[in-house]
Amino acid sequence: SQTIHQWPATLVQPVGSPLSLECTVEGTSNPNLYWYRQAAGRGLQLLFYSVGIGQISSEVPQNLSASRPQDRQFILSSKKLLLSDSGFYLCAWGTGGTEAFFGQGTRLTVV
Amino acid sequence: QKEVEQNSGPLSVPEGAIASLNCTYSDRGSQSFFWYRQYSGKSPELIMSIYSNGDKEDGRFTAQLNKASQYVSLLIRDSQPSDSATYLCAVSLDRDDKIIFGKGTRLHILP
Repeated sequence: SQTIHQWPATLVQPVGSPLSLECTVEGTSNPNLYWYRQAAGRGLQLLFYSVGIGQISSEVPQNLSASRPQDRQFILSSKKLLLSDSGFYLCAWGTGGTEAFFGQGTRLTVV
Repeated sequence: QKEVEQNSGPLSVPEGAIASLNCTYSDRGSQSFFWYRQYSGKSPELIMSIYSNGDKEDGRFTAQLNKASQYVSLLIRDSQPSDSATYLCAVSLDRDDKIIFGKGTRLHILP
C-alpha cells in the first residue's frame, strides 16, 4: 500500500532563516506531488505541484521554491522566511486526474 | 480564474439528521470532484470521489454532481457527533492535474 511521510511535524523558525520541508512517498511510481499551505482559519492554497522529476509548476509567486530530485521525493524550501509564511504545510500525492492523499502536515511558526 | 466556492458555516445539524453540504466551481473543464473531511489540527482525509453526473453512495455519505449547473454536494445521513469537522470540496482539471480546494464548510453535529 502507498504511504506518504512528511517531516517535521512542527517547526518554529526565526524570520529570515532558511526552510526545508521534505516529503516522500512509498508504494507507487511516478506520482503527482503537491505542496499546499493552510493559513490559520483559511482554506488550502496550492503552492506547487509536480507531474514528474524536475517538473515543477508554481501557483503562487512568493519566496518559496520546490524541487523534486527523485521520483518520490518533494522538497519545499525558502532562503529567508517571512512572518506571513507561518501556516500548516501539507504534502500530497496522487495519480493524474484522481484524488490526492495527504501527509500529516508540518505546522510552521515564523517568529 | 479557477475557483471553488463553499459556504463557510458553521452548519449546525441535530444528531441523527441529514447534513447537506454544497459546493460550486467556476471552471467548466473540471472533470474530477472530491470531498475531504478535516478535523481541527489534522490533515484532510478523502471521503468521496465523483467523476460523472448523478449520485454516488458510500455508507452514510452520498455525493451528488451536476456538471451543467457546476454544482457538487455531499449528504451525510444519520449524522453523528464524530462527523463534526470541516468539509473541503476539491476539483481537478484533467488537462493539468491541479487539484483546487474550496475554503471548507464547518459542520457541527448537535448531540
